[in-house]
Amino acid sequence: EDQVTQSPEALRLQEGESSSLNCSYTVSGLRGLFWYRQDPGKGPEFLFTLYSAGEEKEKERLKATLTKKESFLHITAPKPEDSATYLCAVQADSWGKLQFGAGTQVVVTP
Amino acid sequence: DSGVTQTPKHLITATGQRVTLRCSPRSGDLSVYWYQQSLDQGLQFLIQYYNGEERAKGNILERFSAQQFPDLHSELNLSSLELGDSALYFCASSVLSSGGAYEQYFGPGTRLTVT
Repeated sequence: EDQVTQSPEALRLQEGESSSLNCSYTVSGLRGLFWYRQDPGKGPEFLFTLYSAGEEKEKERLKATLTKKESFLHITAPKPEDSATYLCAVQADSWGKLQFGAGTQVVVTP
Repeated sequence: DSGVTQTPKHLITATGQRVTLRCSPRSGDLSVYWYQQSLDQGLQFLIQYYNGEERAKGNILERFSAQQFPDLHSELNLSSLELGDSALYFCASSVLSSGGAYEQYFGPGTRLTVT
């Protein structure tokens, strides 16, 4: 069965203090690994898709990387507006079903 | 704004009742996915439709059903509601990326409270 595990569950950072979030996965036939950002009570917002080991993608202060068993989301010099829950999901199904991890709640204080 | 719309934003109803949640996908997207997000279960896939046909099913309860109409909007019907059905319900639509995966864009959700 496909599994996605995110760590840590919660992360508290000072503004400017860089850190990384981890997403470990076991899946047969990975089609894509996704990162989403979710604000309280809102829908997940798409950030990145990664397809194969060694791939990296960047967007502003966020950088996502992928290995054969894990993905990392690096937050460089975070700002308070980066506070959110970051969700990782894998897609192995040919029709696109996503299996989500439980998320990492990030709080960035000024 | 993802372009996916959901109505209503909030629903408060009593146990045993039936409700209908509505979703319109982004213009041009043929797939609609439904997910449930509760505090203890996280985001769970319920069901997927593609151009009016059911394509994939997750752990969707028998009390729940869905359909996609010719204009591609979708409705999720929840019946015989229980307290445990209280959750956020999200709809997503997708586009096939150049890498071969379906990138899903989520709507704002419907918050269901069963009292």
